[in-house]
Amino acid sequence: AQSVAQPEDQVNVAEGNPLTVKCTYSVSGNPYLFWYVQYPNRGLQFLLKYITGDNLVKGSYGFEAEFNKSQTSFHLKKPSALVSDSALYFCAVRDNANAGKSTFGDGTTLTVKP
Amino acid sequence: DGGITQSPKYLFRKEGQNVTLSCEQNLNHDAMYWYRQDPGQGLRLIYYSQIVNDFQKGDIAEGYSVSREKKESFPLTVTSAQKNPTAFYLCASSIGPGPTFEAFFGQGTRLTVV
Repeated sequence: AQSVAQPEDQVNVAEGNPLTVKCTYSVSGNPYLFWYVQYPNRGLQFLLKYITGDNLVKGSYGFEAEFNKSQTSFHLKKPSALVSDSALYFCAVRDNANAGKSTFGDGTTLTVKP
Repeated sequence: DGGITQSPKYLFRKEGQNVTLSCEQNLNHDAMYWYRQDPGQGLRLIYYSQIVNDFQKGDIAEGYSVSREKKESFPLTVTSAQKNPTAFYLCASSIGPGPTFEAFFGQGTRLTVV
């Protein structure tokens, strides 16, 4: 069975500071990892994904994520946070054994204060 | 404008009624998904369809039904057997059913039992 953990319900950062939203995963095969963002009362928007290759993945709006196989982690990062980055962030995992299904974490609320 | 359209945005259901949530996509995607989102929880998969005329149960299919008669349409019916249907429902699609494809989401339907 595959699973995702987002250990922090809430992350608070000041505008201009770097931000990190944590994600760890468990899968039986090769992991395919995704980050999505959700604004209030809206659907999710895709930010970035790791499939294979370079462990550092760059995505939309200046976000990046680092895949760490030994720590089974895929943390989302941004060098300089904006107030407009405030939203709910979801990590998701898929693997070949469950190709039709994504498993999502419970989400982390990011608040960026001016 | 390509995307996924969910309707209605808000829906109210009386006890004992069946209701149908609409999901249409013009992205020419093969795979489509229905998720349920409750406060403080991640997305839980209700049903998914990897190709037209085929669909599979997700993790919480009881009390729900779907059809996939056309590639672009994947309606979800919430039946009276679903005991706690109040939630935010999200429809998504991906290019194919494989694990490397990201999902594109609609804007959601908020269902409330009155």
